[in-house]
Amino acid sequence: EAGVAQSPRYKIIEKRQSVAFWCNPISGHATLYWYQQILGQGPKLLIQFQNNGVVDDSQLPKDRFSAERLKGVDSTLKIQPAKLEDSAVYLCASTRGTGPNRNPYEQYFGPGTRLTVT
Amino acid sequence: AQSVTQPDIHITVSEGASLELRCNYSYGATPYLFWYVQSPGQGLQLLLKYFSGDTLVQGIKGFEAEFKRSQSSFNLRKPSVHWSDAAEYFCAVGYMDTGRRALTFGSGTRLQVQP
Repeated sequence: EAGVAQSPRYKIIEKRQSVAFWCNPISGHATLYWYQQILGQGPKLLIQFQNNGVVDDSQLPKDRFSAERLKGVDSTLKIQPAKLEDSAVYLCASTRGTGPNRNPYEQYFGPGTRLTVT
Repeated sequence: AQSVTQPDIHITVSEGASLELRCNYSYGATPYLFWYVQSPGQGLQLLLKYFSGDTLVQGIKGFEAEFKRSQSSFNLRKPSVHWSDAAEYFCAVGYMDTGRRALTFGSGTRLQVQP
């Protein structure tokens, strides 16, 4: 089966500009996550979707970050305006979700989008 | 709050030597534990996972890890390292008794392999 797809793979923008990242999870995966991985650190959750609803966005900087998953399939993460400290790799992951015989922690990761803010 | 500690930021081993990467987690509940590997410019690849049962788990690429509840540890091991194992390794934990379903990651250990 196809893995988690992300685009673009690399993006360079100036501070105060806006940027959007796209993620297409594995087919049939109900749960989608966006993680931020700053250089030298482990990934940290930004937002979790279950189908088209938000489950956890407690760590999303909502003054500048937004995300949507309108049809419960692919998702877009946007930053507006970007700051220097937003330079990071943005990882998308998906799982089949909760329910019998489904472990919500068995996550599959995409290749990530590396954002550089200058 | 749950946390994961990987005390070694950087480790260098010789090819063919054995490897152990340390991981400790906090929190009292039974965790789900994972090791991921990340090569430069790549996403995270799952090496192995522990959910329950046998505390010694086998993974891909010849890796294994042992869950020790008394030490709150889940150390990753490999008996003989290959040059292709050079990468960054992340330990991660999840807890079923919290509302969150995302993983909490350690800060990673970068492995260098000397010829």
